[in-house]
Amino acid sequence: EAQVTQNPRYLITVTGKKLTVTCSQNMNHEYMSWYRQDPGLGLRQIYYSMNVEVTDKGDVPEGYKVSRKEKRNFPLILESPSPNQTSLYFCASSLGLLGAYTEAFFGQGTRLTVV
Amino acid sequence: DAKTTQPPSMDCAEGRAANLPCNHSTISGNEYVYWYRQIHSQGPQYIIHGLKNNETNEMASLIITEDRKSSTLILPHATLRDTAVYYCIVRASDYKLSFGAGTTVTVRA
Repeated sequence: EAQVTQNPRYLITVTGKKLTVTCSQNMNHEYMSWYRQDPGLGLRQIYYSMNVEVTDKGDVPEGYKVSRKEKRNFPLILESPSPNQTSLYFCASSLGLLGAYTEAFFGQGTRLTVV
Repeated sequence: DAKTTQPPSMDCAEGRAANLPCNHSTISGNEYVYWYRQIHSQGPQYIIHGLKNNETNEMASLIITEDRKSSTLILPHATLRDTAVYYCIVRASDYKLSFGAGTTVTVRA
């Protein structure tokens, strides 16, 4: 089954304690991205990756890091989480063919609370 | 990417067609219209997309006006499971989905 898997689904952590949210896709997609969703602000892109070792900032990258060492994995790293990073996070992937439409698949979400 | 305007909410009776409008008056010639939906706090789900022609799949139909400045998503027989936030998105590249506030659709029994 084609899917994007995020872990953990729920996480409560303390300010300043480094954490990683993992994202893995089994569709051999080139393009992956991270979004955060906050009430009243909708879904906003944090980072994206067009292929292995190619990443770039989205709209709200501050406080986040990503890496793309393998095609299937795209972890989101919070080096020093702060309460304003409490949010619902989604990972997404798509084929990424420039100029052609491709459907984006989303993970089930990670609800992060930073206290 | 062109901006879109959707009504904030709408109700629909179960079993009836739900027609969701979207205005995108600044759309460019190479920008597609996409629809996604988000049920509760799950990840967004792709519904349908189109460029100029009307499109239909097993989930919905997409009607795009001739001038491409607006479109309508049609859920032909709405069920309670179609209650969700529906997002209309226009874009040219594949690299980013810019989600607006969407339309909260409530299907009532």
